[in-house]
Parts: sequence; structure tokens; C-alpha cells
Amino acid sequence: AQSVTQLGSHVSVSEGALVLLRCNYSSSVPPYLFWYVQYPNQGLQLLLKYTLAATLVKGINGFEAEFKKSETSFHLTKPSAHMSDAAEYFCAVRKNSGGSNYKLTFGKGTLLTVNP
Amino acid sequence: ETGVTQTPRHLVMGMTNKKSLKCEQHLGHNAMYWYKQSAKKPLELMFVYNFKEQTENNSVPSRFSPECPNSSHLFLHLHTLQPEDSALYLCASSQGTGGAGGYNEQFFGPGTRLTVL
Repeated sequence: AQSVTQLGSHVSVSEGALVLLRCNYSSSVPPYLFWYVQYPNQGLQLLLKYTLAATLVKGINGFEAEFKKSETSFHLTKPSAHMSDAAEYFCAVRKNSGGSNYKLTFGKGTLLTVNP
Repeated sequence: ETGVTQTPRHLVMGMTNKKSLKCEQHLGHNAMYWYKQSAKKPLELMFVYNFKEQTENNSVPSRFSPECPNSSHLFLHLHTLQPEDSALYLCASSQGTGGAGGYNEQFFGPGTRLTVL
């Protein structure tokens, strides 16, 4: 079984500051890992994904995440926050193969606030 | 239209009403999903359809009734709902539900915000 823990339900940063959103996972098999973003009144948009290849993954809007097996982490970062980054961010995990490997297990989300 | 669309975007209904949510995907995918997103809770997978066949029902109450007439359309029929059913209902689609790699990557619609009075 897989699970995801997002540390911090709410993160607040100043515009131009580093964004760090934390995600730790638990999985019995090598996982695929995802970060999604949800803007107000919208669905989920895929930011980036780790699919067992490069451990440093670059996504859209300047975000990146690094898979660290030893720490079972997949933290999301962006060097400089922009006001438009204010949204809710979800980390998700799924199996890379085998039965029911389409199932995504989501974290509870982290709301990012960007202050001017 | 592109991607995954959902209608209506907002719905308010009484507990005795019957209503339906509609989802349509324009991606040529074969699998479709219903999720429930409640405040402060992780997304909950409700139903999965693959090639029009239901392959998963995640112990969803019978007051929610899905229908998938073809691979492009998915409905969620609602009747005698409870106030705790108020949530954002998200539809998603993927190429399929089997295999490795990006075959199962899910694309989400904007959701229907449901309020049950």
C-alpha cells in the first residue's frame, strides 16, 4: 500500500522568496510520484512527475522536485515565488506496475500563500 | 473543447432532488474516473470505468449512481443526498488503467461544486 504525508497544511512566503513544499511517501514498491496544483475553482493540473528516471524532475512554472529514496521524500521547490503561484498543491503516489497501478493516493494538500 | 470538461460547474440541490453531473473528455482516452474532494481530506476515488465497464466502486453509497455510455462521457446521477455529500466532484481520464509508464496518467476536469441543503 502507498501513502503520502504533506507536512504543513499552509505555507506562506513572500514574493521572490524560496518555495519549499514537503512530501514524504510510503510505498512497498518503487513508486511514481506526482505534484499537482489546484487554483481556486479549478481542477488539478499536473506540475511534474517522477517515473523512476532522473531523480531531479523539472516541471511547469519553474517548479522542480527531487526524489530522495533514502529520505522517502519528494519535496517541491521553486527558487522565487510569484503571486500567481498562490494555490493548493497536492502530492500523490502510485505504483509503477502491477494490478491497480492506476490508483493515485493523494496527500491532504498544502495551501501556498504568496505575500507581496 | 479540449481536455476534460464538466457540467454544471456549480450545483445546489435539496436532499430530495435528483440531479446528474456530466463529464466529457476530448483526449481519446479509454478510462474515466470520479473523485470526491472534501475540505481538509485527501481526494477520494469513487468510481473507475475502463472501456465503458466499471472496474472499481470504492464502497460508494448507492445514492451515487455512475453511468458511462461511451469512453468519452461519464455521468454521476445523484438522488436523496445528504449534506455531508457537499464537495467538489472531479472527473479525470487516462489512456487506460493497465500497463506501466505514462499510460495511466490522469487528466482532471475543473470539477462540479455540489452543495446539498
